[in-house]
Amino acid sequence: EIVMTQSPATLSVSPGERATLSCRASQSVSSNLAWYQQKPGQAPRLLIYGASTRATGIPARFSGSGSGTEFTLTISSLQSEDFAVYYCQQYNNWPGTFGQGTKLEIK
Amino acid sequence: QLQLQESGPGLVKPSETLSLTCTVSGGSISSSSYYWGWIRQPPGKGLEWIGSIYYSGSTYYNPSLKSRVTISVDTSKNQFSLKLSSVTAADTAVYYCARLMITFGGVIWAEWGQGTLVTVSS
Repeated sequence: EIVMTQSPATLSVSPGERATLSCRASQSVSSNLAWYQQKPGQAPRLLIYGASTRATGIPARFSGSGSGTEFTLTISSLQSEDFAVYYCQQYNNWPGTFGQGTKLEIK
Repeated sequence: QLQLQESGPGLVKPSETLSLTCTVSGGSISSSSYYWGWIRQPPGKGLEWIGSIYYSGSTYYNPSLKSRVTISVDTSKNQFSLKLSSVTAADTAVYYCARLMITFGGVIWAEWGQGTLVTVSS
């Protein structure tokens, strides 16, 4: 099973600043990597797939990069609604495995 | 707009079977472009894949749960269902149903239901 490791576990950033979240796979997953956002009491929402393709309706301030084993989610200018938990997920190997999440909190 | 709605008991006794149904509206469960699946999230913890099904009935289960899980589809009702047998307190979680988009590289959990909390307790 491919293990996905996210860092940091918690990231404190001020509104308007840039946030950079990392995700590492235990073996190559090519570009088959997705990012999800989960707010308290809500279901996860797909943000990014194919490592860098934004899902429908996702603002341009969200961007993804990377391939192989190292991936990054960048939020260019944090809005109040962006503070949430973010999960990465590889789907290169069925059924796909999730990271443990990064909590993005207000500094 | 696609909507998925989980339904079923919120409280299940230990050793009994947890049964949930996901009703799909705004789209056909018989589409060849998607799988349908279940994921759960214990309180305060991460996401655990339970299993997935294609409209044809082909199923894929998490090996750690496989002996206790059954997922089925009813295309006439546009629903799919989850049964998890011999539950324990460790099965207490929010259970989500979702539509999985088939891509060149694999499947993505594209749309989710709102989730339903199932508590296992006597």
